[in-house]
Amino acid sequence: QQQVRQSPQSLTVWEGGTTVLTCSYEDSTFNYFPWYQQFPGEGPALLISILSVSDKKEDGRFTTFFNKREKKLSLHIIDSQPGDSATYFCAAKNTNTGKLTFGDGTVLTVKP
Amino acid sequence: GGIITQTPKFLIGQEGQKLTLKCQQNFNHDTMYWYRQDSGKGLRLIYYSITENDLQKGDLSEGYDASREKKSSFSLTVTSAQKNEMAVFLCASSADRGSNERLFFGHGTKLSVL
Repeated sequence: QQQVRQSPQSLTVWEGGTTVLTCSYEDSTFNYFPWYQQFPGEGPALLISILSVSDKKEDGRFTTFFNKREKKLSLHIIDSQPGDSATYFCAAKNTNTGKLTFGDGTVLTVKP
Repeated sequence: GGIITQTPKFLIGQEGQKLTLKCQQNFNHDTMYWYRQDSGKGLRLIYYSITENDLQKGDLSEGYDASREKKSSFSLTVTSAQKNEMAVFLCASSADRGSNERLFFGHGTKLSVL
């Protein structure tokens, strides 16, 4: 049973457009949600993260939204750039147990 | 800043072979991890270590051994490589496992088994 589900599996957007990636989870004990960005041939790198006490966090063109009631979160990228083309993983952590669970990732392609 | 170095970058093995992957970090981080990444899948935890000589099993530990003899290094052994197995093994480290934990990853070792 997959605890963290991401959608879509892949997505293509035009340069300048807005990208929206979504993630849902089952375990209500999850309370920390990082998003990792992975370029081909590299390891993932932390992009942005949010704690369950917040509903929004912004960092430049990247914003993550969290909805505790629906157990959903999303990552929005405004003014998407070809350099944003990468695989994006959402993850969820129970900070009591320390266990981090990753989703299967979304492959984003931004076309010029 | 620091860096995570994984060796080798590519590893080709034979079915049944014992294979060892190495990871070094110079962040001086206490916690280190080994994840497996299959194509189109998320990262699955194999082993982690919260300090030198500590080992904790993850969800995917069967078929693997790990060793943390120094704070800066963490190695992973595939005890018997499976035919046609293909995956990327990622090593990571973090300063602590509390809230806002940030993992720093290496570039991975890509394993192919003939």
